[in-house]
Amino acid sequence: DIVMTQTPLSSPVTLGQPASISCRSSQSLVHSDGNTYLSWLQQRPGQPPRLLIYKISNRFSGVPDRFSGSGAGTDFTLKISRVEAEDVGVYYCMQVTRFPLTFGGGTKVEIK
Amino acid sequence: QVQLVESGGGVVQPGGSLRLSCAASGFTFSRYGMHWVRQAPGKGLEWVAFILYDGSNEFYADSVKGRFTISRDNSQNTLYLQMNSLRAEDTAVYYCAKDRAMVDPWGLGTLVTVSS
Repeated sequence: DIVMTQTPLSSPVTLGQPASISCRSSQSLVHSDGNTYLSWLQQRPGQPPRLLIYKISNRFSGVPDRFSGSGAGTDFTLKISRVEAEDVGVYYCMQVTRFPLTFGGGTKVEIK
Repeated sequence: QVQLVESGGGVVQPGGSLRLSCAASGFTFSRYGMHWVRQAPGKGLEWVAFILYDGSNEFYADSVKGRFTISRDNSQNTLYLQMNSLRAEDTAVYYCAKDRAMVDPWGLGTLVTVSS
């Protein structure tokens, strides 16, 4: 199975300041079709997860442009350019390149 | 709009069975693969199972293989998860989610508690 390792576990951020979350996979996430199926999910308190970013850097419908994804191969990053109060929650990276799908352990973003 | 609504959760004794349902609306259900993902209380996300759009193939996490069965009824726009031989460690909120690669949206989830 592909192991997804996220850092940090927790990220206290001042409103309006940037935040960055890293995700590393134990194997390359490049699929045989040439795509890299690395996604980022946001889970606000008491809510189900929702998709933010797919295939490394593509923002899903309705996702604010302060969220961006980057990376390649086995190293990926989610950045929030200016954290807003509604961004509080847990963020997960997820690989859907190979079954079983696997998730990072989550990064809790909170306001300082 | 696209909506997924899970049901069927509850309290069950170890060794018992439960069948979860996920009612889909707002999209052509028969065109999309579907996932079940679970989240134990206060923990992270764990993928459980996936079924192809036409039900022709299924994939399972090792932790549930041989005990859980994913299925679908495209005429009823409904996804199912039959859970047998339940264990305490299966206690979680179970979410259904649409699409093989995008995995969105997710339903609100249904809580399964395995306890004597």
